[in-house]
Amino acid sequence: AAGVIQSPRHLIKEKRETATLKCYPIPRHDTVYWYQQGPGQDPQFLISFYEKMQSDKGSIPDRFSAQQFSDYHSELNMSSLELGDSALYFCASSRTENTEAFFGQGTRLTVV
Amino acid sequence: GENVEQHPSTLSVQEGDSAVIKCTYSDSASNYFPWYKQELGKRPQLIIDIRSNVGEKKDQRIAVTLNKTAKHFSLHITETQPEDSAVYFCAARGRYGGATNKLIFGTGTLLAVQP
Repeated sequence: AAGVIQSPRHLIKEKRETATLKCYPIPRHDTVYWYQQGPGQDPQFLISFYEKMQSDKGSIPDRFSAQQFSDYHSELNMSSLELGDSALYFCASSRTENTEAFFGQGTRLTVV
Repeated sequence: GENVEQHPSTLSVQEGDSAVIKCTYSDSASNYFPWYKQELGKRPQLIIDIRSNVGEKKDQRIAVTLNKTAKHFSLHITETQPEDSAVYFCAARGRYGGATNKLIFGTGTLLAVQP
């Protein structure tokens, strides 16, 4: 069965650079979530989209933005990267009427 | 805001023993409670979930109980095996649809099953 696909799997950037993370949800899933997970931490909710509209916002820095496109894939754009942005970034998707959320394999971002 | 507390933070058991992890949530509107297992560097994987209209759910060696009045839910793993060793996260979600369908995670429990 198709799963949530994230790209790239690994990304190394320098401070002050920008990064774009991509997420392709499970087919027919209309909700996408982005989470940030630091080492030894629980996943922290960043932002979510339902039917291509932002539906909720968590602790997402102003330097970050995200959107969901007409084909339901989503992108997380991160600018002016800081060392503290180094983390695993997970995307998850779900169908609102069937509430299980499934996670992608994550993107490991390292800012040097 | 919404908050999920999880205990214990670490749990070590002998192979074959049972393990129990407990969570409490603050948002009384929460109606869906999944549990995820995460191995080091990998994605959280859904292992079991429970909805607010059910008090208990079981799937082989794993069971979850929910007490809506007390706003707490628990994961029970019986006959633990070394491959159960991982970090377990509980989560809670509010009413689905609209602005409250995000999952709020607990802080995780590192379960170590000693052979």
